[in-house]
Amino acid sequence: GAVVSQHPSWVICKSGTSVKIECRSLDFQATTMFWYRQFPKQSLMLMATSNEGSKATYEQGVEKDKFLINHASLTLSTLTVTSAHPEDSSFYICSARGLAAQTGELFFGEGSRLTVL
Amino acid sequence: GENVEQHPSTLSVQEGDSAVIKCTYSDSASNYFPWYKQELGKRPQLIIDIRSNVGEKKDQRIAVTLNKTAKHFSLHITETQPEDSAVYFCAASIKTGGFKTIFGAGTRLFVKA
Repeated sequence: GAVVSQHPSWVICKSGTSVKIECRSLDFQATTMFWYRQFPKQSLMLMATSNEGSKATYEQGVEKDKFLINHASLTLSTLTVTSAHPEDSSFYICSARGLAAQTGELFFGEGSRLTVL
Repeated sequence: GENVEQHPSTLSVQEGDSAVIKCTYSDSASNYFPWYKQELGKRPQLIIDIRSNVGEKKDQRIAVTLNKTAKHFSLHITETQPEDSAVYFCAASIKTGGFKTIFGAGTRLFVKA
């Protein structure tokens, strides 16, 4: 089956620093990747759609300068949380849809838990 | 944009009983409806899905129904087991924007032994 790997699985950083999270599709090519944010006991909130070779599409209310997304290849998308603050602490999870997928089925990474001190 | 509502937020059942989770969606252009199960601290896993041209789909103890006219779909779990305890998310997917998938708020299912 399709495997999506996310790294790091958890990270602690100081306020004001930037953190990069990587999302890789290991055994398939992903033209589109999605970044979600999940607060404790809450749903998955779509932050942005990452398209290979083009700019990401951000959802309303998500600051594109705060959450930089790069999808440089068909197997890698990165999310950089810039100048992180404690309110950015959350569980960030990526997902990918393969080239062959016609239905929109998503394959999720393991998630990255960010704690900003 | 698409909005997905999910009920109930919490559901507690006795082992062996059935569990039903209901969702509604707002965008009639949605054409794919997956259900995901998420255990604590883990990634969501697809358990069943249904396309807009189908009214019902079943996979062993799990079934999903879709009413396009009313824009609602439901997950049915029969003969529940303690290992079914998890958070379940419904979702609606729209082909525009690269199959954007919007999730419901989730239902925390407890199956009591």
